[in-house]
Amino acid sequence: EVQLVESGGGLVQPGRSLRLSCAASGFTFDDYVMHWVRRAPGKGLEWVSGISWNSGSIGYADSVKGRFTISRDNAKNSLYLQMNSLRAEDTALYYCAKDTRPNTFDFFDIWGPGTMVTVSS
Amino acid sequence: EIVLTQSPATLSLSPGERATLSCRASQSVSSYLAWYQEKPGQAPRLLIYDASNRATGIPARFSGSGSGTDFTLTISSLEPEDFAVYYCQQGNNWPLTFGGGTKVEIK
Repeated sequence: EVQLVESGGGLVQPGRSLRLSCAASGFTFDDYVMHWVRRAPGKGLEWVSGISWNSGSIGYADSVKGRFTISRDNAKNSLYLQMNSLRAEDTALYYCAKDTRPNTFDFFDIWGPGTMVTVSS
Repeated sequence: EIVLTQSPATLSLSPGERATLSCRASQSVSSYLAWYQEKPGQAPRLLIYDASNRATGIPARFSGSGSGTDFTLTISSLEPEDFAVYYCQQGNNWPLTFGGGTKVEIK
């Protein structure tokens, strides 16, 4: 079964850091681009970041550029999101998501259940 | 950044009726458009990709059309489980962007 499971969320103070992880199983992880997508309370979906199979292509939303860093470890079938200088507006449910086709950077066909990040003093 | 505008914001319909949802892009995305369904407490589910291709396991009552800047998701006959929020998303340009969503509610 294809599965993604996020971890690492929690309550953090503004300005602090948090690292999210996503464990993948049931597919050839290093064939696919992987993404982070978030949904703030009461708001819509927002793509946060994506990373190609070999980490050669990386993209970020403008709202997180310079503060968040995406990475992956293909040997561990894992995806990460290092979040620094967190702000209240980063409060959201963070989803790990798999791209639809090998080596494409477009849509998300498998999603994890999400991990909640709350930024508050 | 490509802005996606969905309309209407809310669609009130009865089971068995046809639902037509619209998504307009601020510039051409070719056919790189997807539709997702989201229900409370669940992760989004991919319904349609490349504007008109149904994802694995998606019933035939869901169909997508359009290209360039104007796209439509049609649910031919609403089932009780179809009442949810629907998002479009473009995959043509970075940053990838979503529309604001259309809520399909029971009339």
